[in-house]
Amino acid sequence: NAGVTQTPKFRILKIGQSMTLQCTQDMNHNYMYWYRQDPGMGLKLIYYSVGAGITDKGEVPNGYNVSRSTTEDFPLRLELAAPSQTSVYFCASSLNGRVTEAFFGQGTRLTVV
Amino acid sequence: QQPVQSPQAVILREGEDAVINCSSSKALYSVHWYRQKHGEAPVFLMILLKGGEQKGHDKISASFNEKKQQSSLYLTASQLSYSGTYFCGTEGFNMGNDMRFGAGTRLTVKP
Repeated sequence: NAGVTQTPKFRILKIGQSMTLQCTQDMNHNYMYWYRQDPGMGLKLIYYSVGAGITDKGEVPNGYNVSRSTTEDFPLRLELAAPSQTSVYFCASSLNGRVTEAFFGQGTRLTVV
Repeated sequence: QQPVQSPQAVILREGEDAVINCSSSKALYSVHWYRQKHGEAPVFLMILLKGGEQKGHDKISASFNEKKQQSSLYLTASQLSYSGTYFCGTEGFNMGNDMRFGAGTRLTVKP
């Protein structure tokens, strides 16, 4: 059982470039989340989705976009990368949101130079 | 509306106990606890729902005081494997289903 899979694991971007972080889960979970974690800090919610076709902003959505066309996939798009977006990005999923555990992917370490 | 965790860091010797607190300014529906080892993804420990719930497994347990909007994680007879950063995640009663995490408590257990 793969769980939550994120790609790539590492990426270096130049300022102004764009990229998509991929996230897929094979547990048929309804809820999916994107978090960023800055060094020594907690997790900040970027976007989340409660099902295919439904997404909503979290705490720090500026500079990011998401889509949820299928239950399995929840890609995160960075447009015009900035140094402030240097962080570790975690994708997570849960069956039923607030009452069930979240499973995290292994993270994507992004550096913007 | 992130929850506030305390302490920020704690150092223990094997066999000692620790308590990590998590408090929120808003009414809470659920509290989640996760542990993250350095360079790894967070791993689920337990969920507590409203109603004064308490849970535990092995030597790690937690309580949820809904009136005070607080949760505490108790680690007893700590082991080296308990080292890591502990995060609480809280969900309120809005329709958004959006969990917020505290800044974390770094726990170091020494031999």
